[in-house]
Amino acid sequence: GQSLEQPSEVTAVEGAIVQINCTYQTSGFYGLSWYQQHDGGAPTFLSYNGLDGLEETGRFSSFLSRSDSYGYLLLQELQMKDSASYFCAVRDPGANNLFFGTGTRLTVIP
Amino acid sequence: DGGITQSPKYLFRKEGQNVTLSCEQNLNHDAMYWYRQDPGQGLRLIYYSQIVNDFQKGDIAEGYSVSREKKESFPLTVTSAQKNPTAFYLCASSTTGTGSLNTEAFFGQGTRLTVV
Repeated sequence: GQSLEQPSEVTAVEGAIVQINCTYQTSGFYGLSWYQQHDGGAPTFLSYNGLDGLEETGRFSSFLSRSDSYGYLLLQELQMKDSASYFCAVRDPGANNLFFGTGTRLTVIP
Repeated sequence: DGGITQSPKYLFRKEGQNVTLSCEQNLNHDAMYWYRQDPGQGLRLIYYSQIVNDFQKGDIAEGYSVSREKKESFPLTVTSAQKNPTAFYLCASSTTGTGSLNTEAFFGQGTRLTVV
């Protein structure tokens, strides 16, 4: 089976840095992805980690530790438009599906 | 432009009726997926297909059916057996190769189904 755990809610101040954690349990592992979803909208891809370490894409960075079955998404210089839900996801090569975490709702306040 | 299209955007169904949600993609992706999202909840996998004429059940397949007769199309039927069908339904597609390219899924804009 597969399970991905994330905090349900996070609140942070505009301009600050926030980290959203994801712990996973899967029978197989092709890497950890992150998606952003604004209310009523479609999820959009943010980043992918196939190997341990940090991947940086502009204000967003993502980290993976396969030995700890753990990853995180780091958002810097927070903007109001970053208020959204963030999901981690894994592809299980055995089941060959794409499985999403429970999601973290980020609220950015002035 | 390449993309994935879901229709209709809003759908109302009477209890006891079957309804079919459309999902079409022109990204030449082999894999397609259907997810259900309830308010404030995550994405739960209903069905997925890795190739034409083949599909597998996800975690919550009961009360749903799919077909994959064409690479571009993966319609979802919500049957009367689904006891609580009111939800936001999302269709996605992706490639199926190994490596980073296959982990990016592209989503449609969703169909919001309401039972009246």
